[in-house]
Amino acid sequence: GNSVTQMEGPVTLSEEAFLTINCTYTATGYPSLFWYVQYPGEGLQLLLKATKADDKGSNKGFEATYRKETTSFHLEKGSVQVSDSAVYFCALIEPLGYNLFFGTGTRLTVIP
Amino acid sequence: AAGVIQSPRHLIKEKRETATLKCYPIPRHDTVYWYQQGPGQDPQFLISFYEKMQSDKGSIPDRFSAQQFSDYHSELNMSSLELGDSALYFCASSSGGQETQYFGPGTRLLVL
Repeated sequence: GNSVTQMEGPVTLSEEAFLTINCTYTATGYPSLFWYVQYPGEGLQLLLKATKADDKGSNKGFEATYRKETTSFHLEKGSVQVSDSAVYFCALIEPLGYNLFFGTGTRLTVIP
Repeated sequence: AAGVIQSPRHLIKEKRETATLKCYPIPRHDTVYWYQQGPGQDPQFLISFYEKMQSDKGSIPDRFSAQQFSDYHSELNMSSLELGDSALYFCASSSGGQETQYFGPGTRLLVL
């Protein structure tokens, strides 16, 4: 079956620290992979995506590379800001699928 | 850019009552998805529609039903509400054949 496993939070970092949130997946096919972010009291926003192996998704300083050999899609940012404080969800979808499978989410808090 | 619109944003109901949630997709998007996010949980897929036909079904209770109308908006009808139905309900939309789902702000349902 399909599943996504994220590193457990919460994660607390100082401003300008380096961020890594680990995400690994299990899928029957060759899925597309996503990172969504949920700010307090808001909906889910697409942060970045990758649709095939070795693709790198990037947006707002965040990056993630689709690693088929390790079935991973780790989220990284070189220098976090207080405004990055949010819950981050890793997700996958099978080709031609409709169901996004989400990880459990990782809460990030960035302190000044 | 226009986003997914959901109404109402907040809803309070009592047990055994009914509720109707509405979703207006991004213009020219023909596929709509519904997700349920319990407190502190990851979003769970309920159901999806493509071109007004049900395209996939997830963990949607039999007490719930949904449909997509000719203008592509969708409604989620929830009957015999239970305390456990209290959650954030997201609608997402996409354009046929595209895997990226764009989420609305959600409807927060509280069942007392």
